[in-house]
Amino acid sequence: KAGVTQTPRYLIKTRGQQVTLSCSPISGHRSVSWYQQTPGQGLQFLFEYFSETQRNKGNFPGRFSGRQFSNSRSEMNVSTLELGDSALYLCASTLLGGNQFFGPGTRLTVL
Amino acid sequence: AQTVTQSQPEMSVQEAETVTLSCTYDTSENNYYLFWYKQPPSRQMILVIRQEAYKQQNATENRFSVNFQKAAKSFSLKISDSQLGDTAMYFCAFMKDKPMGSQGNLIFGKGTKLSVKP
Repeated sequence: KAGVTQTPRYLIKTRGQQVTLSCSPISGHRSVSWYQQTPGQGLQFLFEYFSETQRNKGNFPGRFSGRQFSNSRSEMNVSTLELGDSALYLCASTLLGGNQFFGPGTRLTVL
Repeated sequence: AQTVTQSQPEMSVQEAETVTLSCTYDTSENNYYLFWYKQPPSRQMILVIRQEAYKQQNATENRFSVNFQKAAKSFSLKISDSQLGDTAMYFCAFMKDKPMGSQGNLIFGKGTKLSVKP
């Protein structure tokens, strides 16, 4: 069974731009969670989607948003990028009641 | 709010030896889950082991085992017969019992960088 896939793997943007990251969960998994990993703050939860609805949200500004499609694929969007948004963005998928399995991440660099 | 603390930023161990990574957490919840994740240089986060708080028996997965002390809020990971491929960042993570309609979110510690030396 294929694992969680994330695209793109690397991204370079400039301040003020917006970016969209994509995550395809493991087949059959309907829950997708997003995490931000930075050297300073570590791993922080962004939000979770299940059945196309946001179920849980971390403490991030409204510039961070997401959505989930009927095939469980999820996208997260960051608008008006700031230098501090440079991070590894990790997506995890979960089978109901199970463990979270992570994708390889998208490395975002904001210049 | 829940917090997870890993007090050892870096550790090293000789190949074939045993090493123990420490983790403490703070919560007022009674039902929760604890995890150890491994992140090698490739950055792929890999689940190592999971422990349910209601289970008294410590979880084991091959060379990996935990020492779960619920009263002390301690959750250490023991790696036996260390291998070069165990070199990675290790993160301890907490998840409270899933809120209605949610699969729950992980709260991570800052990590311990483990180096296995030949």
